[in-house]
Amino acid sequence: AQKVTQAQTEISVVEKEDVTLDCVYETRDTTYYLFWYKQPPSGELVFLIRRNSFDEQNEISGRYSWNFQKSTSSFNFTITASQVVDSAVYFCALSEPQAAGNKLTFGGGTRVLVKP
Amino acid sequence: DAGVTQSPTHLIKTRGQQVTLRCSPISGHKSVSWYQQVLGQGPQFIFQYYEKEERGRGNFPDRFSARQFPNYSSELNVNALLLGDSALYLCASSLSQGPQSSPLHFGNGTRLTVT
Repeated sequence: AQKVTQAQTEISVVEKEDVTLDCVYETRDTTYYLFWYKQPPSGELVFLIRRNSFDEQNEISGRYSWNFQKSTSSFNFTITASQVVDSAVYFCALSEPQAAGNKLTFGGGTRVLVKP
Repeated sequence: DAGVTQSPTHLIKTRGQQVTLRCSPISGHKSVSWYQQVLGQGPQFIFQYYEKEERGRGNFPDRFSARQFPNYSSELNVNALLLGDSALYLCASSLSQGPQSSPLHFGNGTRLTVT
């Protein structure tokens, strides 16, 4: 069975510090997709990034960057120069195309608190 | 363009009652999925519908059912409510059935409280 583990339940930083969120996944499939979502207090899950299992290139989008390492089954997320608006719960998720339906398996989430 | 819209935003029910939650997908999206998020946990997959047919079901009892209408909107029904059904119910839409073509876009959710 597929599984996503986010070992950090909560991270607290001061504004402008960098913060890295860890994500480790388990799957038997060779083809899969990994995602990161942000959940602000409003409750809506905001899509941040999708990465397929064949693309191990790291990606940078503004202050956000992602490090995908298939060898260690990890897909870590870094926020550079954090801001108060980055305060939210961040979820890593795994989807397997072979599974019935567009099912995402989510990790337990990491709450990020950025203090001014 | 409007995002995924869900109604109602909050709901309070008593044990044993039935509830219906509604979801309108992003215009042009044909797939709707439902997730349950218990406080402090990640969302859990309940159902996916694509082109009005059920395409996936999570590990939830038969008290949970759903359907998709010709306009691609969807309803989630939960019968015989239990205290443990208290959660945030999230609806998500996507262009097609699988994640390879489009990611899921989520609504703000319906907060269900069962007393």
